[in-house]
Formats: sequence, C-alpha cells, structure tokens
Amino acid sequence: DVKVTQSSRYLVKRTGEKVFLECVQDMDHENMFWYRQDPGLGLRLIYFSYDVKMKEKGDIPEGYSVSREKKERFSLILESASTNQTSMYLCASSRLTASSTDTQYFGPGTRLTVL
Amino acid sequence: GESVGLHLPTLSVQEGDNSIINCAYSNSASDYFIWYKQESGKGPQFIIDIRSNMDKRQGQRVTVLLNKTVKHLSLQIAATQPGDSAVYFCAEFVVELDVKVIFGPGTSLSVIP
Repeated sequence: DVKVTQSSRYLVKRTGEKVFLECVQDMDHENMFWYRQDPGLGLRLIYFSYDVKMKEKGDIPEGYSVSREKKERFSLILESASTNQTSMYLCASSRLTASSTDTQYFGPGTRLTVL
Repeated sequence: GESVGLHLPTLSVQEGDNSIINCAYSNSASDYFIWYKQESGKGPQFIIDIRSNMDKRQGQRVTVLLNKTVKHLSLQIAATQPGDSAVYFCAEFVVELDVKVIFGPGTSLSVIP
C-alpha cells in the first residue's frame, strides 16, 4: 500500500513564526503536492513538485515556499505564519505518467492553527 | 470559470439503502475523475476512478457513472453501512496545456443505523 506520512497531525503556532510541514512518501512517486483544505472551498493546490529540486506554483502559493531535496520528502514552509494560514494542510503523491493523470494518494493531514 | 461542484452538501441515508452522491463539472476538457472519501480527522482516500472514455465503472459496492453530455458524475454506494459515513468529494483532471486538478467542496454522508 502507498503510504504518505506527515510530520504532525496538529500544530499551533504564533503569528510571525516560521513553520515547517514535512511530508514523506514510500512509493518512489515522482510527483508530490501540497494542498490546503478549508470548509466550503475544497482542496486548493499550493505547490507541487515533479522531481527532486523542482517545484511549480499551484493556485495559492503566496505566503508559502517548498523544498524537495530528496525524492521521498516534500516540505512546505510558511516563512512568517499569519492567522489566515490556519487550515488543514494535505500532502499527496502520485506517479509520473505519460498523461500525467494518475491517482494522488494523500497523507493524514496537518491541522495548523496560527494564533 | 471552471468549477466542480456538488449538488447536495449533506446527505442522510438509512443503513442498508443505496446512496447517490452527485458532482457537476463545467470543463469539457477533462480526462480523468476520482472520487475520494474523507473520514473525520483523516486524509482523503481513493475510492474509484473513471476516465473520460468510459461511462461507468464498478468497484466493490461502489459504482461511478459519467455523463459527459450534461457534465455530471455520480457515486453510487450500495447497501450503505455506518462505516460509509464521511465526506465524499470528486476530483477532475483537466488536460489542456498542462494538467490541472479541480476538487469539489464535498458532500457529507451520514448513515442512520
């Protein structure tokens, strides 16, 4: 089975703090994604990566950065956390296929609260 | 603009009955659809997928129907069980210059014992 793990299930941070969210997948997937999930808005893509050291902006990259130093690990960084970044953060991974349409497998999520 | 939305935000079903969850999409340049189930406190889990060249796909107790004419996707769960209580949402893969995934907001399914 595909396993995607996230470093924390719950985090509470203060405004202005730097926050690191870690994601690890064990299926040798090329693609990795970071989403945030808010009530009524569904999942919104923040950043994705299709290879080590490669990254692409998603729909809402402002206020976030990412790092992919190893194939299995994709980190989301909030340089200076703000209250509007309080959300559920979901990591996902998928294979890289010719059509690029392949199932994304999700981690359990990290619920971040910024005070 | 492009959107994937669910007609019913909440659905209550008696245990043993069949459930139908609907999803409307607006972009005809779609290639692939996935239904996910998300239980409270957990990440989304893959249930079933369907490609745009298919009308129907069946899994274990679940069936996905795709009607491209009216841009409608549905998930049918047979003999709904309490363990089926969760939020269900559809994901649409739009293939144009690149691949974009659009997620619906979700429908909450509650199974009444």
